[in-house]
Amino acid sequence: GAVVSQHPSWVICKSGTSVKIECRSLDFQATTMFWYRQFPKQSLMLMATSNEGSKATYEQGVEKDKFLINHASLTLSTLTVTSAHPEDSSFYICSANRDSLPEQYFGPGTRLTVT
Amino acid sequence: QQPVQSPQAVILREGEDAVINCSSSKALYSVHWYRQKHGEAPVFLMILLKGGEQKGHDKISASFNEKKQQSSLYLTASQLSYSGTYFCGTEVKAAGNKLTFGGGTRVLVKP
Repeated sequence: GAVVSQHPSWVICKSGTSVKIECRSLDFQATTMFWYRQFPKQSLMLMATSNEGSKATYEQGVEKDKFLINHASLTLSTLTVTSAHPEDSSFYICSANRDSLPEQYFGPGTRLTVT
Repeated sequence: QQPVQSPQAVILREGEDAVINCSSSKALYSVHWYRQKHGEAPVFLMILLKGGEQKGHDKISASFNEKKQQSSLYLTASQLSYSGTYFCGTEVKAAGNKLTFGGGTRVLVKP
């Protein structure tokens, strides 16, 4: 149990376009979902925390108008990178809590390359 | 504030032991340990919630010191599959399970 999926696994897009990444909890209802960004050989940096039906809470330095998060249901959260630029290229990973338990279960990640 | 992990990297022979430390300047509410293989998402290993707590699974165990500012992960009789980058994630206070991750420790286990 506690499986989290992400779609797509990778995406290449042109500078200036928008990209949507989906995060789904497959076998549980996720009370909270988290979005992280990871650059090569670096740690995971929390971007935002989202709870179903409410606005996401963004970490300091993360532009909420650029990284739009929608937590439409207890099993789905989406991250839209708007007007992507090459510096947005990164590995984006979501995670979810199950039943308000503290463990976070991570999705497989989405590698975004902006050309 | 990001917890400090040490060492940054370690190379082991199969069967050897290693210790990875995670230190915080603040008292921690919980410590989570994850292992990430190249190009993959982190995999949850274990969580420690109480000062003085120790946990283990197979030959990987962890402790959380009494002052709740440091945790250590112990790799015992390491296997090839233990290779990867280990991250500790810390929660400073009980606030929505939000974690701050350390810089990671790269572990390479050689035959």
